[in-house]
Amino acid sequence: DAEITQSPRHKITETGRQVTLACHQTWNHNNMFWYRQDLGHGLRLIHYSYGVHDTNKGEVSDGYSVSRSNTEDLPLTLESAASSQTSVYFCASTGEGNTEAFFGQGTRLTVV
Amino acid sequence: DQQVKQNSPSLSVQEGRISILNCDYTNSMFDYFLWYKKYPAEGPTFLISISSIKDKNEDGRFTVFLNKSAKHLSLHIVPSQPGDSAVYFCAARTPSLFYIPTFGRGTSLIVHP
Repeated sequence: DAEITQSPRHKITETGRQVTLACHQTWNHNNMFWYRQDLGHGLRLIHYSYGVHDTNKGEVSDGYSVSRSNTEDLPLTLESAASSQTSVYFCASTGEGNTEAFFGQGTRLTVV
Repeated sequence: DQQVKQNSPSLSVQEGRISILNCDYTNSMFDYFLWYKKYPAEGPTFLISISSIKDKNEDGRFTVFLNKSAKHLSLHIVPSQPGDSAVYFCAARTPSLFYIPTFGRGTSLIVHP
């Protein structure tokens, strides 16, 4: 079955370190997104991509970057991790004409 | 400024009764609305959706109602079951931000046996 997977599921890192969260989907979807979930804020959009080599900033993109070198992967990089980036991160994808987005299981990131 | 608002952080309902989750929006350009369900330690999963040209969509125990003039939608679950206990997110899409849902803050539903 096609799926979307995130790794790692849990990560603890130190302030100032660079961290990369992986997202891989096997649906061959063009559209991929990253959200963060925080108590009291719901899901907020970080970055999104409509296809290979396309990336766009979302609502809370400061301190994050993404790259899209192929259809299947959209890694999220925290250039210099900050405590404010402690959160649960969700990757999602959707194909052309799909009504809904499919989400990964999430990565819980703690910055100490 | 929040474009999708879920003003009730939590809702508690008895098993067998109706659960009504509410959502308000401010952006009149939204043309598609979705509800997602999320269990702890899992990603959100799609539940039901409705196009802005409709006022009702039903799928089994789940019905979504849309009132465009009031910019309000609601999710009805009848009858509620303990397995429905989860966080429910309301989401909406605009043609300009194609395919990408904007989410509300979520409502935690607890269904008591």
